[in-house]
Amino acid sequence: GEEVAQTPKHLVRGEGQKAKLYCAPIKGHSYVFWYQQVLKNEFKFLISFQNENVFDETGMPKERFSAKCLPNSPCSLEIQATKLEDSAVYFCASISRGGEAFFGQGTRLTVV
Amino acid sequence: SQKIEQNSEALNIQEGKTATLTCNYTNYSPAYLQWYRQDPGRGPVFLLLIRENEKEKRKERLKVTFDTTLKQSLFHITASQPADSATYLCALGQAGTALIFGKGTTLSVSS
Repeated sequence: GEEVAQTPKHLVRGEGQKAKLYCAPIKGHSYVFWYQQVLKNEFKFLISFQNENVFDETGMPKERFSAKCLPNSPCSLEIQATKLEDSAVYFCASISRGGEAFFGQGTRLTVV
Repeated sequence: SQKIEQNSEALNIQEGKTATLTCNYTNYSPAYLQWYRQDPGRGPVFLLLIRENEKEKRKERLKVTFDTTLKQSLFHITASQPADSATYLCALGQAGTALIFGKGTTLSVSS
């Protein structure tokens, strides 16, 4: 069946560099969520989209993080001027009409 | 603020037994509760969803109960197998809002 595709799988950035992560949600799913998993099993909500519109961005550290979901393009999450504490696995999930979240495999960001 | 607790960080059981995982929450009225499985290095995989007006849901060897008075869900795996070893996450949600995740319980099933 269809899957949520996240790229790249791994990303290494020097402190202060930019990082850009991509997510192709499942077609037909209207909602896309981004989560950050830092410590074992602690999922922190970052932002959600309803189609190309930001739905909830209460979890986003706005000074350095930005995200987009444009039509006919993968969604993206960008971190300007990465910091050591941004090292984490970033998961994207697309949500079915029934409310089930389908997660991608994640992007492991390491800031050195 | 909302709080979700999965009572055991780790649970070890023998093959064939029933594993029971607990999820408690406070300061929240979810429309539904979900359980996910996460294996190391992978994203969470959806297992079951139960709505606020449902008491119990079953899927093969899995059973979930949802008590909105106690603010608790129990997740059972019957006839457990070593392949069931993984981290199980409880998540609460309302329509269109972000799922709020618990910290997970790591289940180890020994043969």
